[in-house]
Amino acid sequence: NAGVTQTPKFQVLKTGQSMTLQCAQDMNHEYMSWYRQDPGMGLRLIHYSVGAGITDQGEVPNGYNVSRSTTEDFPLRLLSAAPSQTSVYFCASSLLGGTQYFGPGTRLTVL
Amino acid sequence: DAKTTQPPSMDCAEGRAANLPCNHSTISGNEYVYWYRQIHSQGPQYIIHGLKNNETNEMASLIITEDRKSSTLILPHATLRDTAVYYCIPGGGSSASKIIFGSGTRLSIRP
Repeated sequence: NAGVTQTPKFQVLKTGQSMTLQCAQDMNHEYMSWYRQDPGMGLRLIHYSVGAGITDQGEVPNGYNVSRSTTEDFPLRLLSAAPSQTSVYFCASSLLGGTQYFGPGTRLTVL
Repeated sequence: DAKTTQPPSMDCAEGRAANLPCNHSTISGNEYVYWYRQIHSQGPQYIIHGLKNNETNEMASLIITEDRKSSTLILPHATLRDTAVYYCIPGGGSSASKIIFGSGTRLSIRP
């Protein structure tokens, strides 16, 4: 199993650009989620999903969209990047109620 | 969502036991207590979880009070590699609810 994979590892955007952060898992996990982590801070939940076709907002959803068309993939879209979205983004997956498995992260800088 | 309280930082001498406390007084009856750690900028890593009974695995031991309002993670022989931020998170079981990380405890191991 590859576990949870995230692409890209690093990304630099200009203010106003849009992009999609990819997350995939091969463990047939129902639950997937996105977190952001600012320097020196804890993880904050952006969006999560409990299954294909079902998504919900976390603590800090503004400026981000998600969709879950398959069990394996959970992309995160930045609609119009802002410097405040400079952060490290982590994707995680689990069975419902189970142990969370995290990806290696995407380091995003918005200029 | 159950709230947790952890000390922001702790330190421990190498080779000694590190005892990390967590207060989760609002935990629901069917919620587990999960512990994760994050080393430097990597994705969080699962350590251990429990419901009522004390648990032990190759990484750590988990002591849960009888009223389930608090728990203690024990790293029996701390090494420099155990320097990390440790998170205590109620959740799991059959729950499909979102997983919220708090601020965690930054554990420093001194040589």
